[in-house]
Amino acid sequence: SQQGEEDPQALSIQEGENATMNCSYKTSINNLQWYRQNSGRGLVHLILIRSNEREKHSGRLRVTLDTSKKSSSLLITASRAADTASYFCATSGANSKLTFGKGITLSVRP
Amino acid sequence: SAVISQKPSRDICQRGTSLTIQCQVDSQVTMMFWYRQQPGQSLTLIATANQGSEATYESGFVIDKFPISRPNLTFSTLTVSNMSPEDSSIYLCSVLRETQYFGPGTRLLVL
Repeated sequence: SQQGEEDPQALSIQEGENATMNCSYKTSINNLQWYRQNSGRGLVHLILIRSNEREKHSGRLRVTLDTSKKSSSLLITASRAADTASYFCATSGANSKLTFGKGITLSVRP
Repeated sequence: SAVISQKPSRDICQRGTSLTIQCQVDSQVTMMFWYRQQPGQSLTLIATANQGSEATYESGFVIDKFPISRPNLTFSTLTVSNMSPEDSSIYLCSVLRETQYFGPGTRLLVL
């Protein structure tokens, strides 16, 4: 079964607003990553957070990780129409294999 | 990062035929992976392609259906054999550096 579960499954916001996406997982991890996929194309790696980290920033992205709750959140600030995509969280254990969540479809309205 | 290319980018195939997908990376990597993404679904790992040894398959995937080659540290192929419409998916290769980087995917439609 899938390790990660994102919520919401779909999110629609206005350009300029912030988008928050959540991911929960079931087993212990080495790290958690967020990917973006545009229109069924390849995945773009956004950010990686290690199990001993609690928060990480990259440009307009902010990721948090709560290992006690086995959850992570991805915040995109000041969203743009170009942020419209599917977002996946993926967890990795000791074997480096990635287990993906079901994904969140984000629509940013101009 | 890594620059990864896949061929073909898309194909339409008849049931019962086979398709070989190529994955090329810009420099040597130890670990390469193949994933499947069925329509509207998330990614599922098919196998880990090991250079110089047999690929390691995940539960539900077998070598006869998805034979994999890994002749060197920059190249791998995945063959989808004896295709049926249920094999219609996007197939993606990835490589592990400091994290996993993905190729652009091969969109396969089986009629």
